[in-house]
Amino acid sequence: GQQLNQSPQSMFIQEGEDVSMNCTSSSIFNTWLWYKQDPGEGPVLLIALYKAGELTSNGRLTAQFGITRKDSFLNISASIPRDVGIYFCAGPATLLNAGGTSYGKLTFGQGTILTVHP
Amino acid sequence: KAGVTQTPRYLIKTRGQQVTLSCSPISGHRSVSWYQQTPGQGLQFLFEYFSETQRNKGNFPGRFSGRQFSNSRSEMNVSTLELGDSALYLCASSSGTGVDEQYFGPGTRLTVT
Repeated sequence: GQQLNQSPQSMFIQEGEDVSMNCTSSSIFNTWLWYKQDPGEGPVLLIALYKAGELTSNGRLTAQFGITRKDSFLNISASIPRDVGIYFCAGPATLLNAGGTSYGKLTFGQGTILTVHP
Repeated sequence: KAGVTQTPRYLIKTRGQQVTLSCSPISGHRSVSWYQQTPGQGLQFLFEYFSETQRNKGNFPGRFSGRQFSNSRSEMNVSTLELGDSALYLCASSSGTGVDEQYFGPGTRLTVT
């Protein structure tokens, strides 16, 4: 089935360092979404990207929609302990179900576990 | 604007029982999607409801069902619980009209013993 490959799987960094993670797909996506999930909570939407080549920032977070539309990148600058969590990329399913729809279905990457040492 | 709410937050059930989980979307949103999250499988799509109609369904057995009410609140039901149904169940709310952004609730942690 449709998959998003997210890397790295985990990162251990020192407070103040910059972080980069990426997500790739074998098929084209029209939207890329980046979420952060804290333990025991639901994912929180960080950034949404809708156009190939688009670069969007949200505070210390910057995400880019790859030109090929098959990848996306998330950067976090000057990390702080509160950045700890799992980061997911996601996109709307482009493979249609038997009824010919993909309504309401997001496909998620496996997640990047970020640990920040003070 | 209030966010997505889910009740209950935690549930412990016994194998063979059934369970009903509830989700209230963001005011004005008409689409509710449900996901199952487990360490091994990640986030997997269960189904989506829009204006009381199921528009999409994932690859889960028929023991998993849902419905949506006229106020857009949604419930999902799992019958004949199995140990493997232990998971975090998340609902996500969106406008449902061409916008892909989904906003998640805090989830319901279901443990089946």
